[in-house]
Amino acid sequence: QLQLQESGPGLVKPSETLSLTCTVSGGSITSSTYYWGWIRQPPGKGLEWIGSVYYSGSTYYNPSLKSRLTISVDTSKNQFSLKLSSVTAADTAVYYCARRHSGGAYQYVDYWGRGTLVTVSS
Amino acid sequence: DIQMTQSPSSLSASVGDGVTITCRASQTIGNYLNWYQQKPGKAPKLLIYAASSLQSGVPSRFSGSGSGTDFTLTISSLQPEDFATYYCQQSYSTLSITFGQGTRLEIK
Repeated sequence: QLQLQESGPGLVKPSETLSLTCTVSGGSITSSTYYWGWIRQPPGKGLEWIGSVYYSGSTYYNPSLKSRLTISVDTSKNQFSLKLSSVTAADTAVYYCARRHSGGAYQYVDYWGRGTLVTVSS
Repeated sequence: DIQMTQSPSSLSASVGDGVTITCRASQTIGNYLNWYQQKPGKAPKLLIYAASSLQSGVPSRFSGSGSGTDFTLTISSLQPEDFATYYCQQSYSTLSITFGQGTRLEIK
């Protein structure tokens, strides 16, 4: 059974860089069928797609976050990572890592991590 | 970006009722539309993809329809475990995925 697990600091200071890692177990991150991505949810609000990475390193970013965002993949560790720079309180959210099925014409998120709350505060 | 608008934002219903949630896209997206269910404190769960295809393991009381700009999620006979928040998501623009704002389904 595929599992995704987020890890990283739960508290980040304003203007610093938020860094999270997602470890994938029960499946290979190098499968050609999937993209791997990040989605966030501010407390009490809806879902926002952050960006995705393919095992080759190709990335797609939310245009509104692109200037602050880096998503990378480490196939040797079956992990992918998120770095969001210059954070503010508006970046406080539960961050989910997820698998996006891309094997056919239709794409959808079929596996999610449990999510990790990141709070931006001094 | 393609904007997704759900209605209603919330609704109340009773066990056994049928309910319909609507999602509208700001431009035509074919049938590149997915539905997710989220319970408090949990990650979302995929219910339907490609507007009407039921994800494996999802009960048949859930169904989806629509194409172009207008889509619906229908739950035919509400069960206690169905009270949750539901999100639509377009996958037409794979470079920029967007979600609806959510519909909260509460017990009456």
